[in-house]
Amino acid sequence: DTGVSQDPRHKITKRGQNVTFRCDPISEHNRLYWYRQTLGQGPEFLTYFQNEAQLEKSRLLSDRFSAERPKGSFSTLEIQRTEQGDSAMYLCASSLGGGSEQYFGPGTRLTVT
Amino acid sequence: GENVEQHPSTLSVQEGDSAVIKCTYSDSASNYFPWYKQELGKGPQLIIDIRSNVGEKKDQRIAVTLNKTAKHFSLHITETQPEDSAVYFCAAWSAAGNKLTFGGGTRVLVKP
Repeated sequence: DTGVSQDPRHKITKRGQNVTFRCDPISEHNRLYWYRQTLGQGPEFLTYFQNEAQLEKSRLLSDRFSAERPKGSFSTLEIQRTEQGDSAMYLCASSLGGGSEQYFGPGTRLTVT
Repeated sequence: GENVEQHPSTLSVQEGDSAVIKCTYSDSASNYFPWYKQELGKGPQLIIDIRSNVGEKKDQRIAVTLNKTAKHFSLHITETQPEDSAVYFCAAWSAAGNKLTFGGGTRVLVKP
C-alpha cells in the first residue's frame, strides 16, 4: 500500500509530557499538511510544507507545537507540555501541488490524561 | 478567511433512497471542492471532487453539483446502501489561503 501512513495510531500521555507523531506521505507528493480533528468536527488546518519548507501555520498552532519535514519526505509533529485540550485526532495529508487532491492518512489519536 | 457551512448534520435514509448534502462557502476565490467520507477510527477518504470550471460531476452512484454564483455545492448519493453509512465532509480550497477548509460534517445512516 503506497498511501499516507501515520505513526503511532494511538497515543496516551500524561499532561505536561511531550509527544511526537510521524507522517509518511505518498512518495511523489511535494505537499504535506497537518490537520487536527476533534470529536464531531471537521478537520482543521494546522500547517503545511512544500517540500521541506514550512509555508503556513494556523493560529491554532501554538508555540508548544512544532513541525518539521527535514528532507522533504516524512514529517514530524511535536507537542510540548501537552494539555488536556490537545486531545484530538491528528491527521496528515499529502498532495501533488496546491489545489490538488489531498489524500489523508489514518490519523494519530492523542489522549492527554 | 474561508467559511464552509454544511447541512444537515445528520441524515437518516432508507436503503435504496437518495441522500443529498449541501454546503455553502464564503470565499468567491475558492476553486476546488472535494468531498470526503470518514468511517469510524479512520482518516477521511476522498470520494469525489469538482473544480470551479465545471457545474456537475458524476461517478457511479455519487454526483456533485456546484453553483458558483450562489456559492454552494451539493453531494448526491443515489441508491444508498448500508456501506454508505459514514460521516461525509465537504471542503473548499482557496488558492489565496493555500488550504482546505472543511464543513462540520454530515452523519449519514442508511437503514436496511
